[in-house]
Amino acid sequence: NAGVTQTPKFRVLKTGQSMTLLCAQDMNHEYMYWYRQDPGMGLRLIHYSVGEGTTAKGEVPDGYNVSRLKKQNFLLGLESAAPSQTSVYFCASSYSTSGLNTGELFFGEGSRLTVL
Amino acid sequence: QQPVQSPQAVILREGEDAVINCSSSKALYSVHWYRQKHGEAPVFLMILLKGGEQKGHEKISASFNEKKQQSSLYLTASQLSYSGTYFCGTEQDFNKFYFGSGTKLNVKP
Repeated sequence: NAGVTQTPKFRVLKTGQSMTLLCAQDMNHEYMYWYRQDPGMGLRLIHYSVGEGTTAKGEVPDGYNVSRLKKQNFLLGLESAAPSQTSVYFCASSYSTSGLNTGELFFGEGSRLTVL
Repeated sequence: QQPVQSPQAVILREGEDAVINCSSSKALYSVHWYRQKHGEAPVFLMILLKGGEQKGHEKISASFNEKKQQSSLYLTASQLSYSGTYFCGTEQDFNKFYFGSGTKLNVKP
């Protein structure tokens, strides 16, 4: 019963390097999200996806790209990492309820990224 | 677009009550509440839907004022295990969630 799995859990990058964070869910959820969490800022939405092959921008999308080629996976990419992207990144997934509402979000354990 | 939470921090003794508020400037489809322990992922507590329906925790209650786009989380007879940071998540567009900056709750013996 894995739920939402994020890899890697920790990563240190140098400015300008690139990397990809992988989020995988085994609950057949339609919706997936990437958030970043910084002290005192709460969770800020980077990008999200409402289904396989679709992505959309959230509050803070600049410097990030995403892809959802398979329903169970949602990838977050940093093409040229900057120190301002040092943060804890959380992936979440959810399902649709019968009405115009989204069900609870299931979060991964987080990925701590440090950019030097 | 981020909802505003208040207070930012609360210190309680075991058995005391607390109220955490969440306010949005946009109309909401739903409000979610989550609790996060230090170093862990947020965990779901409750959903409040338009029309008054609630789903969630047995020992925690909440309200949702659709007209004012406000929600409150009520923690009664607090326990040590209630300590953590509480976030409200507001569904401002379908599928799109914005979280507040959190309320840090510290329950002491």
